[in-house]
Amino acid sequence: EVQLVESGGGLVKPGGSLRLSCAASGFTFSVYTMNWVRQAPGKGLEWVSSISSGSDFIYYGDSLRGRFTISRDNAKNSLYLQMNSLRAEDTAVYYCVRAGATGSYYRDWGQGTLVTVSS
Amino acid sequence: EIVLTQSPGTLSLSPGERATLSCRASESVSRNYVAWYQQKFGQAPRLLIYDASSRATGIPDRFSGSGSGTDFTLTISRLEPEDFAVYYCQQYGNSPFTFGPGTKVDVK
Repeated sequence: EVQLVESGGGLVKPGGSLRLSCAASGFTFSVYTMNWVRQAPGKGLEWVSSISSGSDFIYYGDSLRGRFTISRDNAKNSLYLQMNSLRAEDTAVYYCVRAGATGSYYRDWGQGTLVTVSS
Repeated sequence: EIVLTQSPGTLSLSPGERATLSCRASESVSRNYVAWYQQKFGQAPRLLIYDASSRATGIPDRFSGSGSGTDFTLTISRLEPEDFAVYYCQQYGNSPFTFGPGTKVDVK
């Protein structure tokens, strides 16, 4: 069974930093592109960042580039998102998501971790 | 960036009825790379359809996807009680990959 378990969310002040982690199991983590997708309270879904299986290709949403850094450790079956210079509009549930084998649809989702940016 | 528009915003139907959800793209989606997701309150989204018309593993055959170019449709042939939820379309043919705003299917 595929499992994606996020951690690291919480309350942080504007301008602060957080590091999200995602522990993956139940599949060969090292061969899949992984993603972070977020959802602000009561709002829709927003793609945040993607990282290819070997970390060769990394992409970010336009509003996030320069503040967020995605990374992975295939030996530990783990995905990370380092978030700096956080703003109130970054408040959201952050989902760790496995891409499909044949395309960049979002095949499997974690339960999400809530990040709240507030003073 | 491709903008996706979903209609209607809310669809009020009864169990057993047919639901037809629309997703329109601001420009043609490469290779018809469109997916549909279902999200119930307090839960993570679940993949239903990918590549416009392929059902994901374990998805009942009452869910079907169709369309090409800029117009895509998710059809639920007969609504079951567990199908009342929010549905999002997503295009992954043109970077950045984008989502539609969602259609809520609620009980009439």
